[in-house]
Amino acid sequence: DTAVSQTPKYLVTQMGNDKSIKCEQNLGHDTMYWYKQDSKKFLKIMFSYNNKELIINETVPNRFSPKSPDKAHLNLHINSLELGDSAVYFCASSQDGSSNSPLHFGNGTRLTVT
Amino acid sequence: DQQVKQNSPSLSVQEGRISILNCDYTNSMFDYFLWYKKYPAEGPTFLISISSIKDKNEDGRFTVFLNKSAKHLSLHIVPSQPGDSAVYFCAAAFTGFQKLVFGTGTRLLVSP
Repeated sequence: DTAVSQTPKYLVTQMGNDKSIKCEQNLGHDTMYWYKQDSKKFLKIMFSYNNKELIINETVPNRFSPKSPDKAHLNLHINSLELGDSAVYFCASSQDGSSNSPLHFGNGTRLTVT
Repeated sequence: DQQVKQNSPSLSVQEGRISILNCDYTNSMFDYFLWYKKYPAEGPTFLISISSIKDKNEDGRFTVFLNKSAKHLSLHIVPSQPGDSAVYFCAAAFTGFQKLVFGTGTRLLVSP
């Protein structure tokens, strides 16, 4: 019973396509996140939601749109994919969004844009 | 602008010895620090944390040391075990604000 699960694990697509990555957590946490790990291994926050409300929105192109239908789900939709979007995307959750509430990460989705 | 730096991309240690992983940060306003461990094809998992009001926190074989004046923290693993072989990420945050800033990781290899 995976705590934070994201699908798909791998996603290969062509430039210009639209794709979605799904994330679900069964930990009962209030806060969910999307992180991106680029080719240089930097792990950077993209979005944070607390009880379905957007809390953090880093400087992310508006082609990226998170959707939180309920507090257990945070999906990431990406429009008009570009080569530079190739990365590993990690979903995460935490109890209450405070700094001393550890993040629980999913296993990542490797997106390759050709 | 890399606010959290892990200057050693890799470290090799023999089983039973001490592993010391280092991390430097530039923003003196960070007041909460964490270490995460990552195995291949998995997400990072939380290991240990420390608040800036402390200079040491210990959990079993893992100890994190914080030197605020030097803006430096380190993770000590004693004794090191082959199962500790993974990538270790240092992260920093402002208390009450869950926006972690991660370093680029150090790959630890513990050989039998």
